[in-house]
Amino acid sequence: GENVEQHPSTLSVQEGDSAVIKCTYSDSASNYFPWYKQELGKRPQLIIDIRSNVGEKKDQRIAVTLNKTAKHFSLHITETQPEDSAVYFCAAPDSPFSGGYNKLIFGAGTRLAVHP
Amino acid sequence: SAVISQKPSRDICQRGTSLTIQCQVDSQVTMMFWYRQQPGQSLTLIATANQGSEATYESGFVIDKFPISRPNLTFSTLTVSNMSPEDSSIYLCSVEDLGTGGVWNTEAFFGQGTRLTVV
Repeated sequence: GENVEQHPSTLSVQEGDSAVIKCTYSDSASNYFPWYKQELGKRPQLIIDIRSNVGEKKDQRIAVTLNKTAKHFSLHITETQPEDSAVYFCAAPDSPFSGGYNKLIFGAGTRLAVHP
Repeated sequence: SAVISQKPSRDICQRGTSLTIQCQVDSQVTMMFWYRQQPGQSLTLIATANQGSEATYESGFVIDKFPISRPNLTFSTLTVSNMSPEDSSIYLCSVEDLGTGGVWNTEAFFGQGTRLTVV
């Protein structure tokens, strides 16, 4: 099955700086890579995702890059703000061709702190 | 996008008892997933619930401890049985949005979670 590793476990930045979180995956057949943000006491929410047919995707201050050869993908947050402080999880599907649904395997999470 | 209602939002339970968590979706979905999130940890999949068949459990989780019901395409329950303090966690249900127009969207939506404390 899929194995997802995520680094770093904690990240502290100053407001306005950039933050980068990296994940590696093991199954070369995986084709979908979402990133979730979980604020304290709240549910995980999708912030951006990327499919295996593209190398980069941007949405305002956040972007995700994918390197299929190296089997890793990264989340980039530019011009960080205090409200970006949260735990971020990457994920990849386990058995992506199993019956048309995605059972997600999550990384361990990165606790991002943005200091004013 | 799917809207998921999960209840209870939190509970404090005595060890040895059982708690049933309900998950209601505002649209019909094929698969529903149950996750556990231990304090400060990531999300671990417990099982996949498919309507009309038994749930499929992940390694380390068994039906006797976490029985699941899936009576229809919009509802599922997870029971945490014979609880011990080690079961104190957040339990989340999740569904997959397959999108429209033939596009396989696969975005996963989560309920708000049930924060369980076993004393």
